[in-house]
Amino acid sequence: DAKTTQPPSMDCAEGRAANLPCNHSTISGNEYVYWYRQIHSQGPQYIIHGLKNNETNEMASLIITEDRKSSTLILPHATLRDTAVYYCISILQGAQKLVFGQGTRLTINP
Amino acid sequence: EAGVTQFPSHSVIEKGQTVTLRCDPISGHDNLYWYRRVMGKEIKFLLHFVKESKQDESGMPNNRFLAERTGGTYSTLKVQPAELEDSGVYFCASSQDRSVTQYFGPGTRLLVL
Repeated sequence: DAKTTQPPSMDCAEGRAANLPCNHSTISGNEYVYWYRQIHSQGPQYIIHGLKNNETNEMASLIITEDRKSSTLILPHATLRDTAVYYCISILQGAQKLVFGQGTRLTINP
Repeated sequence: EAGVTQFPSHSVIEKGQTVTLRCDPISGHDNLYWYRRVMGKEIKFLLHFVKESKQDESGMPNNRFLAERTGGTYSTLKVQPAELEDSGVYFCASSQDRSVTQYFGPGTRLLVL
């Protein structure tokens, strides 16, 4: 599985869009990009995933660059409850072992 | 629908004792995983069950850890004897079929004194 790199921390004002970047320059063509987050004292929570196309669900949007070397997770209207560590993981579809890095600690400020 | 549940939520034991953690996956999920985060480290994969069979146990740290999933429903993870470095949070997750989307439980916080 390709390695991903993320900034260690970010801040965002409540109500604004939070844009979390992830670099995965060695990603292969059949590897997906998955995003999870861990809110303090809870288990990791699935957010969204994608392969090539941009994706949107009720939680977030995922923008993947055309060359697939990087992606951005967008929380459109961040709330205080979105304060968490966000993990970007690249993984083959069908693979079963999630490899968590350090993630990005996102702090939403009032 | 109930999510992944884990029991106990916290456990404090002394070095050398035995502890058994339990995980109940989402109903109908054949895949069950154990992960853990020890102090200051990243979340690490321990093992993966498909129904009652161990599919991948490459992350199990040593033979003091024993995972079982009799009947393909709930799973237990036993640590015997526990050592200080086993302290951390143990997460269980489950998924349908071969989906990568895994749903995690709240974790069991283990403290070995």
